[in-house]
Amino acid sequence: AQKITQTQPGMFVQEKEAVTLDCTYDTSDQSYGLFWYKQPSSGEMIFLIYQGSYDEQNATEGRYSLNFQKARKSANLVISASQLGDSAMYFCAMREPFVAGNNRKLIWGLGTSLAVNP
Amino acid sequence: DVKVTQSSRYLVKRTGEKVFLECVQDMDHENMFWYRQDPGLGLRLIYFSYDVKMKEKGDIPEGYSVSREKKERFSLILESASTNQTSMYLCASSFPSRQREGRQETQYFGPGTRLLVL
Repeated sequence: AQKITQTQPGMFVQEKEAVTLDCTYDTSDQSYGLFWYKQPSSGEMIFLIYQGSYDEQNATEGRYSLNFQKARKSANLVISASQLGDSAMYFCAMREPFVAGNNRKLIWGLGTSLAVNP
Repeated sequence: DVKVTQSSRYLVKRTGEKVFLECVQDMDHENMFWYRQDPGLGLRLIYFSYDVKMKEKGDIPEGYSVSREKKERFSLILESASTNQTSMYLCASSFPSRQREGRQETQYFGPGTRLLVL
């Protein structure tokens, strides 16, 4: 069965430093996609970045990049130059395998709480 | 710009009341989702809909029903609210699955509704 594991319940980082949030996944499908979301204390889930299993390059979106290691089944989120506003919960998610006629859902990790210290 | 709105940010109801949570998206998305989020349990899918008047049960549908009469609107109904339904409720929408493509299946979320059942 597909599964997402985020092993770090909480992380601290100093402002302006880089931080890596871990995400490992388990799937037997060859085609899959991985998403990262941010949830600040206000509650809204904000999409950050997407990586497809066939993408040859690691995804990047501004200060966010994805360290995608397919053989290790890991898709770690790297936040460069941390800012105070980066303090939030971060969730990794994977879409279910494609089955013709089905609409796929996301499988979610339990999240990592990131605190950025001034 | 992507926009998903939910009818209330905070809601307080009494046990046994019928509760309606409304979600509206303006992105012409076919798929819409209702999740609940509880500490330590992550996001759990209650119901989703892939077309008008179509719905599928998620992981925890008991005690809930849904309605999708128009493409842009997806309602979650608590038929008889109970204290164990106190939670954060998140609505999301996305385009449907298309073969192996994944990025377009990104789910976009509303601000969430914090429901307290007394």
